[in-house]
Amino acid sequence: AQTVTQSQPEMSVQEAETVTLSCTYDTSESDYYLFWYKQPPSRQMILVIRQEAYKQQNATENRFSVNFQKAAKSFSLKISDSQLGDAAMYFCAYRSNRKGSSNTGKLIFGQGTTLQVKP
Amino acid sequence: EPEVTQTPSHQVTQMGQEVILRCVPISNHLYFYWYRQILGQKVEFLVSFYNNEISEKSEIFDDQFSVERPDGSNFTLKIRSTKLEDSAMYFCASRRGTTSTDTQYFGPGTRLTVL
Repeated sequence: AQTVTQSQPEMSVQEAETVTLSCTYDTSESDYYLFWYKQPPSRQMILVIRQEAYKQQNATENRFSVNFQKAAKSFSLKISDSQLGDAAMYFCAYRSNRKGSSNTGKLIFGQGTTLQVKP
Repeated sequence: EPEVTQTPSHQVTQMGQEVILRCVPISNHLYFYWYRQILGQKVEFLVSFYNNEISEKSEIFDDQFSVERPDGSNFTLKIRSTKLEDSAMYFCASRRGTTSTDTQYFGPGTRLTVL
């Protein structure tokens, strides 16, 4: 079974600085997706960024980028130029891309990291 | 932009009572999910639903739980006899399902409090 681990329950960053959130995962599959979701205090989870395992290039979305190390099963999120609106809980998630009807597309989440942004 | 909606936002119930949590997924989506998050813990998968039937369920999803898509728009989660440990935030999600890269969209959640 796949597992996702986020070992940092809380992180803080000064506004305009850079912060990196860690995520490791365990799987025997070679084809999968990894996601970072943001859950602001309003509690609706929003997709931040997605990485496809067969792509070596790290995904980027504006100020958000990932460091995907497939061999090490590591998937960290870097937030550059942190803004007050980035304060939220961040979840790392895994989704299998194996073929067939047994793949329902469910997400497997880590424990989450609460990010505080200080003005 | 289309979004997943959930009602109610907060439900308080007595232990042993039945509750129904409602979700309206995005209209052209084909895959539907329920997840739950006990306070301070990780988000856990409960069940997935496709083509009017359960496609996968977790160990948490026992006989006390059921899901239904009664009218082609709503997607409901029923807990027949609530227990104290059912207190959690319940999230509905939907996914279009036409490509392997599509995104799962989450609703704002229903906070269930069992007294």
